Amino acid sequence: EAEVAQSPRYKITEKSQAVAFWCDPISGHATLYWYRQILGQGPELLVQFQDESVVDDSQLPKDRFSAERLKGVDSTLKIQPAELGDSAMYLCASSPRSSYNEQFFGPGTRLTVL
Amino acid sequence: AQSVTQLDSQVPVFEEAPVELRCNYSSSVSVYLFWYVQYPNQGLQLLLKYLSGSTLVKGINGFEAEFNKSQTSFHLRKPSVHISDTAEYFCAVSVGFGNEKLTFGTGTRLTIIP
Repeated sequence: EAEVAQSPRYKITEKSQAVAFWCDPISGHATLYWYRQILGQGPELLVQFQDESVVDDSQLPKDRFSAERLKGVDSTLKIQPAELGDSAMYLCASSPRSSYNEQFFGPGTRLTVL
Repeated sequence: AQSVTQLDSQVPVFEEAPVELRCNYSSSVSVYLFWYVQYPNQGLQLLLKYLSGSTLVKGINGFEAEFNKSQTSFHLRKPSVHISDTAEYFCAVSVGFGNEKLTFGTGTRLTIIP
């Protein structure tokens, strides 16, 4: 069964350092999402890609966060510099073009900023 | 803008007893509704979804939910729970057709008591 892949699964870093997360969506899925899930809360959308184009990045803190999906397949989310408040689970999801909004989630990357 | 309210942050239930997890939404337009389950340190898995048609929706693992437009609710139910149902459950809503973002509730932690 096809799955969304994410790496690393866990990342510990010190504040002011740079971190990067990688996501490989299910093959053929045109839409890719990055969510941030703070402990005890529901996921919140950071950025949405349709193929290689950004559709929605209204909640992405653009002074320190960046995301790219250069060839419309896999994607990288970067934080530079990391802050203590960035500690969270970062989830990637993907969906095909006619999915009626059903999104398939990866296992997530748990980030701890010390 | 749409929003989702999950009133119960934690629900303890005895094994083999029935359970209902409550979800209310707010939106000025028609919505699509979803329930996702998250096991510890894992991504989200779709339990069921309401797009249109019958208001009673059946999902995986014996769960079902009923869409009530007049009460703007989408409560999740299971007639008999098992230890393996211990997890976090998230209700989510989207308002667009095709790859619109999901807005999640804060989640309900379901704990099954042996």
